[in-house]
Amino acid sequence: GAGVSQSPSNKVTEKGKDVELRCDPISGHTALYWYRQSLGQGLEFLIYFQGNSAPDKSGLPSDRFSAERTGGSVSTLTIQRTQQEDSAVYLCASSLGDSSSYEQYFGPGTRLTVT
Amino acid sequence: GQSLEQPSEVTAVEGAIVQINCTYQTSGFYGLSWYQQHDGGAPTFLSYNGLDGLEETGRFSSFLSRSDSYGYLLLQELQMKDSASYFCAVRPVGSASKIIFGSGTRLSIRP
Repeated sequence: GAGVSQSPSNKVTEKGKDVELRCDPISGHTALYWYRQSLGQGLEFLIYFQGNSAPDKSGLPSDRFSAERTGGSVSTLTIQRTQQEDSAVYLCASSLGDSSSYEQYFGPGTRLTVT
Repeated sequence: GQSLEQPSEVTAVEGAIVQINCTYQTSGFYGLSWYQQHDGGAPTFLSYNGLDGLEETGRFSSFLSRSDSYGYLLLQELQMKDSASYFCAVRPVGSASKIIFGSGTRLSIRP
């Protein structure tokens, strides 16, 4: 079946602009995660959605970052007033649920470049 | 605090065996996962240890010892395509489903 998809694959934006990144999880997966990965670095947790529960936003680096998940499926990560330090690959992942969070399926990522 | 430590780089020869270690400091966790990421690609799940001991999946094996706060990924019969970064990850107790990833080990395979 279809895997996790993300769009756009690449985004170049000017400092100060807002950007929206989209994630389509695997159908039937109730858990959705956003991560950020800088070049040559590990994965930095940003936010987690599980079903209709309140999201875990503890990883969001500032109030410029927000995310929503509509209908328990598609998710959008929004970065307002982008800064150069926001440049990174943003990865989305999904899993069947809490008990399967150890096995996450990742999308190809969105490479964000802030100039 | 919670942290995972891995060697930043490992080099091995094609056909050989290599072990990538992961040591952690966390008050409690549900299990240890391993992911592989090729350059420019997305991480892909390799294995999971929910209990202490060895888990084997083909050429890859993973080990966990909670008493030693230690785990490792063992890759046998190395192939050039195994050149990638490898990340260990844990789900700490009490963190809902947040996963903490190590900083990754870049494995380079030489002919």
